[in-house]
Amino acid sequence: GQNIDQPTEMTATEGAIVQINCTYQTSGFNGLFWYQQHAGEAPTFLSYNVLDGLEEKGRFSSFLSRSKGYSYLLLKELQMKDSASYLCAVRDPGGSQGNLIFGKGTKLSVKP
Amino acid sequence: DGGITQSPKYLFRKEGQNVTLSCEQNLNHDAMYWYRQDPGQGLRLIYYSQIVNDFQKGDIAEGYSVSREKKESFPLTVTSAQKNPTAFYLCASSITTGENQPQHFGDGTRLSIL
Repeated sequence: GQNIDQPTEMTATEGAIVQINCTYQTSGFNGLFWYQQHAGEAPTFLSYNVLDGLEEKGRFSSFLSRSKGYSYLLLKELQMKDSASYLCAVRDPGGSQGNLIFGKGTKLSVKP
Repeated sequence: DGGITQSPKYLFRKEGQNVTLSCEQNLNHDAMYWYRQDPGQGLRLIYYSQIVNDFQKGDIAEGYSVSREKKESFPLTVTSAQKNPTAFYLCASSITTGENQPQHFGDGTRLSIL
């Protein structure tokens, strides 16, 4: 079957670093995406990983290990505006073409 | 500015009624998608279209219908056959359905039953 697991909720302090994990079991793999979604708003694209390793984009970094079916999103120097849900999505070539399989999202609360 | 516009932002449906959600994009993207988001669940794909005049069922297409007569537009009709339509509906587009192409989302339509 296809399954993507993320923690449901996390809390962190402003200025700190937080790591949001995502594990996946899919019949195939053609890339992993991270999105940020503020409550009641559209998801916005953060990062894409298809090869093993770390991709860095400013305060946000994303890591992938295909052999372990594992990714994480690292947020540094947390700001209050980072309070949002973070969605992990895997592209599975065995599914509907172009289909992304989404995890349930991790709700991050940043506290002063 | 280029983007994806969904309307209306809020929609109410009466029993036995069909309603249509609008999605328009001016990004010149070939591919468009409709997702449903329920509390505590991941986004689930309803329908997608790779090109004008072509569309495919996603994982939860029952009770929904779409059309793709123009590249810019991909309206979703929620029919009376959809017994649990209350949800947040998100439209997305991407340049193509290629592996590394991110999907860009509209602001969503929240549908409720009267």
